[in-house]
Amino acid sequence: KQEVTQIPAALSVPEGENLVLNCSFTDSAIYNLQWFRQDPGKGLTSLLLIQSSQREQTSGRLNASLDKSSGRSTLYIAASQPGDSATYLCAVLAAGKSTFGDGTTLTVKP
Amino acid sequence: EAGVAQSPRYKIIEKRQSVAFWCNPISGHATLYWYQQILGQGPKLLIQFQNNGVVDDSQLPKDRFSAERLKGVDSTLKIQPAKLEDSAVYLCASSLVVGADGYTFGSGTRLTVV
Repeated sequence: KQEVTQIPAALSVPEGENLVLNCSFTDSAIYNLQWFRQDPGKGLTSLLLIQSSQREQTSGRLNASLDKSSGRSTLYIAASQPGDSATYLCAVLAAGKSTFGDGTTLTVKP
Repeated sequence: EAGVAQSPRYKIIEKRQSVAFWCNPISGHATLYWYQQILGQGPKLLIQFQNNGVVDDSQLPKDRFSAERLKGVDSTLKIQPAKLEDSAVYLCASSLVVGADGYTFGSGTRLTVV
């Protein structure tokens, strides 16, 4: 059974810092991995999708990497802003099933 | 393109009452998912449809939850009777092919059972 872990559960940083969010999974036979952002009381907004054959994806200040062999993905946020404050979740697709982590709640202080 | 539509946005009911949620996926998306998200946790898959057929409902509490997707388009999720522990956000998502292109989520329905 696939298990997805996100550590830390919460993170607080001052504005302008570069930061890394972690996602680990137990079964490396994945199809893809997707990073989402969730604002309080809202649904999930897709940030980046990495296919199993890819090593990384970039969008603006965001960069996601994937290392299947070690069962890890990281989401790098450059020059963080208060508007980046949200919960970030990763989801792993394997054998037609998706498994989500519990997320990392990020607070960026002005 | 229009996103995944869900209604209602909020619902408060008493335990043992029934409730229904509605979802309209992105046009052309064959796969539709219902997730339950309890506060502080990641979404948990309840049921997955491919067109109007059920692909996975292994985590759906079938004694009280039911879902249907008529004509392979919109879907309803029903809870009858509701329990206090059903308080959560119910998220609907869709994808073109089973997750291959990623998932698009609706805004969710926040259910409070009192």
